[in-house]
Amino acid sequence: DIVMTQSPDSLAVSLGERATINCKSSQSVLYSSNNRDYLAWYQQKPGQPPKLLIYWASTRESGVPDRFSGSGSGTDFTLTISSLQAEDVAVYYCQQYYSTPPTFGQGTKLEIK
Amino acid sequence: QVQLQQSGPGLVKPSQTLSLTCAVSGDSVSSNSAAWNWIRQSPSRGLEWLGRTYYRSKWYNDYAVSVRSRITINPDTSKNHFSLQLNSVTPEDTAVYYCARKVGGAFDIWGQGTVVTVSS
Repeated sequence: DIVMTQSPDSLAVSLGERATINCKSSQSVLYSSNNRDYLAWYQQKPGQPPKLLIYWASTRESGVPDRFSGSGSGTDFTLTISSLQAEDVAVYYCQQYYSTPPTFGQGTKLEIK
Repeated sequence: QVQLQQSGPGLVKPSQTLSLTCAVSGDSVSSNSAAWNWIRQSPSRGLEWLGRTYYRSKWYNDYAVSVRSRITINPDTSKNHFSLQLNSVTPEDTAVYYCARKVGGAFDIWGQGTVVTVSS
């Protein structure tokens, strides 16, 4: 199984400032035949299911604010929130869908400083 | 829009069978482009994919190795839903269980979650 490791485990950022969350996969999730990274990011708030934010490493899901962006390729990926809003307080997960079973990172808890 | 509505008991006794259903609206479980998944979440295991069912001219299932001997996921085309059965449960199966749709790549639609406790 591909192991997904996120850093940091928790993060406190001031309102309006940039938040950056990292995700590393134990093997590449870049599929060479279509040059796509099989990597997604989710946001989970208490008592709710995860919500898809980003897929193919950098494609924003419909309705997701443009302050959320994804980058990276191969084994190293980043989720960036350009200007933190109060409603962004949540736990964020990366997930690979390159191979079965799909696997998730352990989560990064984002709080307001 | 596509919605998934979960139902099933929140308390299961050890050694018995956990059974949950996920009703699909706005899409079809027989879709040739979707896969229908069960995922659970617990403090000890995090988010753990359990398995899926999908239709590509015939029905297929894939299951996680950790539960392969105990799990069944079945579609019901007449009711447009799919179900999870997990046999011989132990307290380690206590978790929030989610159903989720996968189209193309990521899990784009999730059910509301069901808290399942395994206890006598």
